[in-house]
Amino acid sequence: EVQLVESGGAVAQPGGSLRLSCAASGFTFDDYTMNWVRQAPGKGLEWVSLINWNGDRTHYADSVKGRFTISRDNSKTSLYLQMNSLRTEDTALYYCAKDLSPASCGGDCGGGMDVWGQGTTVTVSS
Amino acid sequence: DIVMTQSPDSLAVSLGERATINCKSSQSIFYSSFNKNFLAWYQQKPGQPPKLLIYWASTRESGVPDRFSGSGSGTDFSLTINSLQAEDVAVYYCQQYFDSPQSFGQGTKLEIK
Repeated sequence: EVQLVESGGAVAQPGGSLRLSCAASGFTFDDYTMNWVRQAPGKGLEWVSLINWNGDRTHYADSVKGRFTISRDNSKTSLYLQMNSLRTEDTALYYCAKDLSPASCGGDCGGGMDVWGQGTTVTVSS
Repeated sequence: DIVMTQSPDSLAVSLGERATINCKSSQSIFYSSFNKNFLAWYQQKPGQPPKLLIYWASTRESGVPDRFSGSGSGTDFSLTINSLQAEDVAVYYCQQYFDSPQSFGQGTKLEIK
């Protein structure tokens, strides 16, 4: 079964740090770009960051650039999000999500994110 | 950055009727090298993560009922749900993956009238 399980969410103070993890199973992890997407309470979806299959290409939303760092360990089939200089507006449910199309397909097999975890909750509050 | 704008924000449709949700991008998301529009649609039910319905603007993801269809090109897109079922009550999002940062529309809440 293809599965993504996030962990690491907690209550943090403004200016603090957290590290989120996402454990992947059931698919060839190192063949896929992975993403973090967040959803503030009662709000819509916000794409946060992506990392390509081997980690040499990363992108960030403007709202987190310079504060968050995405990484992956293919040997552990895990994705991470290091979150520094946290702000109250970072409070959200953070989802890990897998790209539909494998890197081996060259981008022509589809787009979007087809597998999502259940999310981990980050609350930034003093 | 590309801004995605959905309309309406909410929609109430009778069971068995058709629902149409619109999505407009602030610039074209048609990639000529692939001859494809880099747009996806998602369905999110309460307490659940989003579910991918459609990619390339009009290709249904495996297992998605054929009452769901996507259309449009360039900057204007639509998601149509024919013969609305009770289980289709959800919030629907469009997303562009043409350029980084990727972006979602604000969501459209679909309810039963």
